[in-house]
Amino acid sequence: DTGVSQNPRHKITKRGQNVTFRCDPISEHNRLYWYRQTLGQGPEFLTYFQNEAQLEKSRLLSDRFSAERPKGSFSTLEIQRTEQGDSAMYLCASSSIGGADNQPQHFGDGTRLSIL
Amino acid sequence: SQKIEQNSEALNIQEGKTATLTCNYTNYSPAYLQWYRQDPGRGPVFLLLIRENEKEKRKERLKVTFDTTLKQSLFHITASQPADSATYLCAHCPNSGYALNFGKGTSLLVTP
Repeated sequence: DTGVSQNPRHKITKRGQNVTFRCDPISEHNRLYWYRQTLGQGPEFLTYFQNEAQLEKSRLLSDRFSAERPKGSFSTLEIQRTEQGDSAMYLCASSSIGGADNQPQHFGDGTRLSIL
Repeated sequence: SQKIEQNSEALNIQEGKTATLTCNYTNYSPAYLQWYRQDPGRGPVFLLLIRENEKEKRKERLKVTFDTTLKQSLFHITASQPADSATYLCAHCPNSGYALNFGKGTSLLVTP
C-alpha cells in the first residue's frame, strides 16, 4: 500500500491560465474522489468516480472544472481560465467498494493551488 | 439542509488530560459518522467510524460515542500527548451519494 499520490504538491499560476492536477489512487481501490479545501474549512466534495465512470458532481464544480479517470486508474482534474477564488488545496481520496456505503477514504496530501 | 457542525474554537489542553471534541448534526439522521485527523499541509487520515446502532467505539487511546437523541458524536483522546495536536474532522456521507460531508474541524493543541 503506497498510499494516494498527488502531483504537483504546489502550483502557482496567473489568473486566466489552465492548470491540471494528477491523482494516483491506491491500486486496488475502485472509487476516487476530488475535494477542495480552503483555510479554516473542512474538505468540500467536488466529484466522484467509480472505476472510469464519473458518478457524481457537486454544484461547486463549475463548467471550468473537468475531471477524468481513463481506464479507471489515475485521475486528472483540470481547471480552465483560473480565477482568484480557485486558490485552495485540492485533495484526492480513494476507497474500496465494501458491503455498505461507509468505507473509509484514504487521502493524498493534496495540491496547493495559488492564483496570482 | 443537512448540516454537520464542529466547534470552530480551538481546544487547548495540558498533556495527560482527556480531550473531548464535539460533532453535531441537524436536519438528518446519519447512519454513521467518520472521524479524521489532519496535520498542517497534509491530507486527512481516517481514525474511526461509528454506526448509529453503536453507542461507543474504541481504538487505543481514542473513543467515539454516538448519541442519536442529542444528534451528537463525541471524540475523546485519553492521556493526550503533544503529538496529538492536529485538526480533527467529523464527516458523514449524505444520502445522495458516496461523497463525504465534512465539518469545519476542531483544532487541538496539547501542551507539555
